[in-house]
Amino acid sequence: EVQLVESGGGLVQPGGSLRLSCAASGFSFSSHWMTWVRQAPGKGLQWVANINEDGTHKNYVDSVKGRFTISRDNARNSLYLQINSLRAEDTAVYYCARHLIGHLTFDIWGQGTMVTVSS
Amino acid sequence: QSVLTQPPSVSGAPGQRVTISCTGSSSNIGAGYDVHWYQQLPGTAPKLLIYGNNNRPSGVPDRFSGSKSGTSASLAITGLQAEDEADYYCQSYDSSLSDWVFGGGTKLTVL
Repeated sequence: EVQLVESGGGLVQPGGSLRLSCAASGFSFSSHWMTWVRQAPGKGLQWVANINEDGTHKNYVDSVKGRFTISRDNARNSLYLQINSLRAEDTAVYYCARHLIGHLTFDIWGQGTMVTVSS
Repeated sequence: QSVLTQPPSVSGAPGQRVTISCTGSSSNIGAGYDVHWYQQLPGTAPKLLIYGNNNRPSGVPDRFSGSKSGTSASLAITGLQAEDEADYYCQSYDSSLSDWVFGGGTKLTVL
């Protein structure tokens, strides 16, 4: 079964850091771009960052540039998001998702991990 | 403010047809980038419903269809069922922002 499982979320104080992980299974992880999308409580979806198949190319939405770092370990079939200097507005469910090959969209999503930034 | 504009809500009775619009601009939909649609049931992750404007992934009923014209796109749902009650999001790519962009979402209520 094709599956993505996120972990690492939690409650963190403003200015703090977290490392989110996404474990992939059931498909050739190293053949796909991967992405992180977040959803603030009661709000819509926002693309956050993505990374190409071998980790050499990364893109970020402006609001997280310099604070978030996306990475991957193809040997471990894992995707990561290091989030630093957290702000209240970063509070959201963070989903990892697989890019659909040949299309600028995402065909498989994890269940999400909640990040809450609060003092 | 979302780059792609969707109506906040739509509704319809069981068996009816509803459409959800998604309006973009010359840097995304109008630039030729495909539109994709997601369904998000309450408390769950989004699910890809339509990709490449009008293609359905395996397992998605043919009651769901997509179209695109100019700077806009639409999702149509025919034979509305109670289980279709969910939030629907359109998504594309924006070349000015170099970002993957979403619409603000539309809540579908089945009356």
